[in-house]
Amino acid sequence: DAGVTQSPTHLIKTRGQQVTLRCSPKSGHDTVSWYQQALGQGPQFIFQYYEEEERQRGNFPDRFSGHQFPNYSSELNVNALWLGDSALYLCASSLNGRAYEQYFGPGTRLTVT
Amino acid sequence: GDSVTQMEGPVTLSEEAFLTINCTYTATGYPSLFWYVQYPGEGLQLLLKATKADDKGSNKGFEATYRKETTSFHLEKGSVQVSDSAVYFCALRGNAGGTSYGKLTFGQGTILTVHP
Repeated sequence: DAGVTQSPTHLIKTRGQQVTLRCSPKSGHDTVSWYQQALGQGPQFIFQYYEEEERQRGNFPDRFSGHQFPNYSSELNVNALWLGDSALYLCASSLNGRAYEQYFGPGTRLTVT
Repeated sequence: GDSVTQMEGPVTLSEEAFLTINCTYTATGYPSLFWYVQYPGEGLQLLLKATKADDKGSNKGFEATYRKETTSFHLEKGSVQVSDSAVYFCALRGNAGGTSYGKLTFGQGTILTVHP
């Protein structure tokens, strides 16, 4: 049973560029959440997707957007990258109604230069 | 809003020493509380959880008790091993129906290093 997978593993972008990160949830899970983890900090909630809609959002600007596909996989898009967007981006999946059981992927390390 | 505060780190211990990592929280209502562990190069793994006051979560020799009167969820282990070296995160999830439902709020993490 595959767990949560994310791609790519590492990514280097330049300020002002756009980036797309991908996540495949654990088999059977229908809800995907995204978190940003800056170096030396705890993860910060970006948003959560369920039934292909954004259900909940944290304190992140509109430059951060997402999408969920019918197969429950998800993308995180960040436009107009800032140096401060450099972080580990974590995807977590869960089953709707069992949000306390979130399974995390290994993350995508984004570096903005 | 919800917040979680963990003890300052890093924590360095010898094998078989007793471990305590303090965690306190601020939240409305009755949140669920969690400890996650992040091993080097890996994603976050749920270590243990407690969903109501006075519950004790336990796993792999680790324990934490949900203390509503002190808004705390301290992590303890009686005898640590080298393999316990990792980053530990305390987290909460707001109660059902609240605006933070489904969202996890994390502390800043505590680095634990255990020497042989």
